[in-house]
Amino acid sequence: AQKVTQAQTEISVVEKEDVTLDCVYETRDTTYYLFWYKQPPSGELVFLIRRNSFDEQNEISGRYSWNFQKSTSSFNFTITASQVVDSAVYFCALSEAAGNKLTFGGGTRVLVKP
Amino acid sequence: DVKVTQSSRYLVKRTGEKVFLECVQDMDHENMFWYRQDPGLGLRLIYFSYDVKMKEKGDIPEGYSVSREKKERFSLILESASTNQTSMYLCASSFEIRGTGPSNYGYTFGSGTRLTVV
Repeated sequence: AQKVTQAQTEISVVEKEDVTLDCVYETRDTTYYLFWYKQPPSGELVFLIRRNSFDEQNEISGRYSWNFQKSTSSFNFTITASQVVDSAVYFCALSEAAGNKLTFGGGTRVLVKP
Repeated sequence: DVKVTQSSRYLVKRTGEKVFLECVQDMDHENMFWYRQDPGLGLRLIYFSYDVKMKEKGDIPEGYSVSREKKERFSLILESASTNQTSMYLCASSFEIRGTGPSNYGYTFGSGTRLTVV
């Protein structure tokens, strides 16, 4: 069965600090997809990134970057120069290709203080 | 933009009531899902449906049932609400993204229904 673990339940930083969110996953499939979602206080889930298991290139999008390490089954997310608007709960999720179901980690609450 | 609409943002029900949570999507997606979200546990899958009148149990189906009579609508039913079903409920739909490698799905989520059972 697939499983996603986000060991950090809450991270508090001061604005402009970098913050890295850890995500470790388990799956028996060789083909799978990894996702990150942001959930601001308003409650909706905002899609950030999808990565398939065949693509281990790291990705950068503005202040966001992702590090996919298949060898350690990790898909970590870094916010560079954090801002107050980054305060949210962030979820890592996994989908096995055949199953089409998302399995979520427990989420990491990020609090960015001014 | 694809929209997944959940009929209620907040709901308060009494123990033992039958509760219906409604979800509608407007983009002809095949697959629809119901999750519940609890602090520290993330989102957990209750039920999903990959076609009209089809349903499959997720990880925590006990105490819930679902109905999908039309493609665009997926209802979650609490047959007899209990206080341990107080939670945030999120509906989602998914669509296959073609041409991007192995079978890949994109997901769209509703804004959630916060249900309190008293």
